[in-house]
Amino acid sequence: EIVLTQSPGTLSLSPGERATLSCRASQSVSSSYLAWYQQKPGQAPRLLIYGASSRATGIPDRFTGSGSGTDFTLTVSRLEPEDFAVYYCQQYGSSPACTFGQGTKLEIK
Amino acid sequence: QVQLVQSGAEVKKPGASVKVSCKASGYTFTNYYMHWVRQAPGQGLEWMAIINPSGGSPSYAQKLQGRVTMTRDTSTSTVYMELSSLRSEDTAVYYCARGGVRRNTPFDYWGQGTLVTVSS
Repeated sequence: EIVLTQSPGTLSLSPGERATLSCRASQSVSSSYLAWYQQKPGQAPRLLIYGASSRATGIPDRFTGSGSGTDFTLTVSRLEPEDFAVYYCQQYGSSPACTFGQGTKLEIK
Repeated sequence: QVQLVQSGAEVKKPGASVKVSCKASGYTFTNYYMHWVRQAPGQGLEWMAIINPSGGSPSYAQKLQGRVTMTRDTSTSTVYMELSSLRSEDTAVYYCARGGVRRNTPFDYWGQGTLVTVSS
């Protein structure tokens, strides 16, 4: 099973700042089958990025995904108040299971 | 528009079973894989199961093998997740999520979640 490790656990920033979230895999993620989700309290996760770098429908261009192999990054260029949430990476290339990282909480400083 | 509507909250005793439903609408049900994912209180996301609604056997997370069963009813566009021999650690919000037309695709739509509480 591929284990995903996200860092940092918590990131404290102010609106307007740039956020960089990391996701490291225990083995190479095939075909960049790596996604990022945003989850706010009491809500289901929302797909942000798939294929490591493609934005899902309706996702603002301040969200950028990058990386390949075992190292992936989600960057939020200029934080808006609604961006403060928990972010999860997911690999969906292995069968039968996909796996999620443990999450990074992005909080207002 | 795509909607996944789940059944309501459940409270169960240890050792019992629970069955959660997820009714899909707004798209062709048999064209998209479906998943179940759970989230314990204050914890991260855990993938549980996958099914191809057009046919074939479901697949399960290894740690839940033997306790979880995922089924589908194409006549009502509904998937189900049944978890047996419940223990306190199974207390969580259970989500259904839509995958893609291929097996290895991300989850683009999610149900609203169903809270299952296991308590004596």
